[in-house]
Amino acid sequence: DAGVTQSPTHLIKTRGQQVTLRCSPISGHKSVSWYQQVLGQGPQFIFQYYEKEERGRGNFPDRFSARQFPNYSSELNVNALLLGDSALYLCASSLGGTGGDQPQHFGDGTRLSIL
Amino acid sequence: AQSVTQPDIHITVSEGASLELRCNYSYGATPYLFWYVQSPGQGLQLLLKYFSGDTLVQGIKGFEAEFKRSQSSFNLRKPSVHWSDAAEYFCAVAQTWIKAAGNKLTFGGGTRVLVKP
Repeated sequence: DAGVTQSPTHLIKTRGQQVTLRCSPISGHKSVSWYQQVLGQGPQFIFQYYEKEERGRGNFPDRFSARQFPNYSSELNVNALLLGDSALYLCASSLGGTGGDQPQHFGDGTRLSIL
Repeated sequence: AQSVTQPDIHITVSEGASLELRCNYSYGATPYLFWYVQSPGQGLQLLLKYFSGDTLVQGIKGFEAEFKRSQSSFNLRKPSVHWSDAAEYFCAVAQTWIKAAGNKLTFGGGTRVLVKP
């Protein structure tokens, strides 16, 4: 079975631009989470969606938004890009969003570089 | 708020030697605990998880971890390291008591493991 797939794998943008990252969860998984991993640090939670509803939001500005589609895939949007947004953006999927006992499975991420 | 600390930023170990990575967490109740491994340029792979029950859990690739409530620790061990174990390892905690909050993971800063021939 296919794992979590993310696109694109790499992206270069300039300050002030907008970007959309995409994620397809493992088949049967209904929950998608997004994490930001700055070089040399652990991943930081951005959003979680379950059944198309936002279930959690991390400490990120309103420039970050996301949505989940009926097929459970998800998009992460970042507006007005800043140099500090340069990071690896990871998507994770799990069966359901009803508690911490649902292991999350991660994709290989999208490497976003801001010039 | 929950937090995870991995005291060792880098660890160098000889191939065939044993490995132990430390993880300390801060959480009000019994947490769900995870160890993930990340190879360069790749995402995170789940090594093992602890939810309840036996405090010694077995994972993939020959790894095991022990939950010690009194020390708020969840250390990862491997008896004999292989060169392919060189990677970055992350400890993570998920909250257990707010089901509506989903399964947000809080990660430690990671430990980079280097394996000497």
